[in-house]
Amino acid sequence: KNQVEQSPQSLIILEGKNCTLQCNYTVSPFSNLRWYKQDTGRGPVSLTIMTFSENTKSNGRYTATLDADTKQSSLHITASQLSDSASYICVVSALYSTLTFGKGTMLLVSP
Amino acid sequence: DAGITQSPRHKVTETGTPVTLRCHQTENHRYMYWYRQDPGHGLRLIHYSYGVKDTDKGEVSDGYSVSRSKTEDFLLTLESATSSQTSVYFCAISGGRDRNTEAFFGQGTRLTVV
Repeated sequence: KNQVEQSPQSLIILEGKNCTLQCNYTVSPFSNLRWYKQDTGRGPVSLTIMTFSENTKSNGRYTATLDADTKQSSLHITASQLSDSASYICVVSALYSTLTFGKGTMLLVSP
Repeated sequence: DAGITQSPRHKVTETGTPVTLRCHQTENHRYMYWYRQDPGHGLRLIHYSYGVKDTDKGEVSDGYSVSRSKTEDFLLTLESATSSQTSVYFCAISGGRDRNTEAFFGQGTRLTVV
């Protein structure tokens, strides 16, 4: 069964600090991995998409990494801002199949 | 933002009544999806469509039906709503030759079954 596990479940950091969120998956055959940001009361918004051949992808202060061998991904947030407070969801896509969603990491950036 | 509109945005209904949620897109994307999101769970796929009148079940399809008579509209129907169907429902769309392309989500519909 395809699964996506995220850690930590929740995280509180001070404004301006960096943080890293983790994602482990067992989806096969792998097609791509996405990170989404979901603000409270809104739909998820895509941050990055990475395929098998991509190790790193950045979107502003967000940098995602992918290790396809160990089936792990991380999302690093640099110089956090209050607006980064949200749920971050790791989503893995299998070839010719639908998306498998993680439960998300709830990030709170405190002033 | 991708042109996806969900309606209604909020609804309260009684157990046993039928409910239809609508997803409308202006992007001409081929694939449309309905998900539900509940505390302690990731988004879970209910049904999806890969073209007009072409639909398939997701992992939590029991109690739900869908229809897609036009490219732009994807309807989710709860024939007889139950309290376990209280949830936030999200519609998503994706397009392109490879359906593993970017997926865009609507704003969600909060449904409460009392």
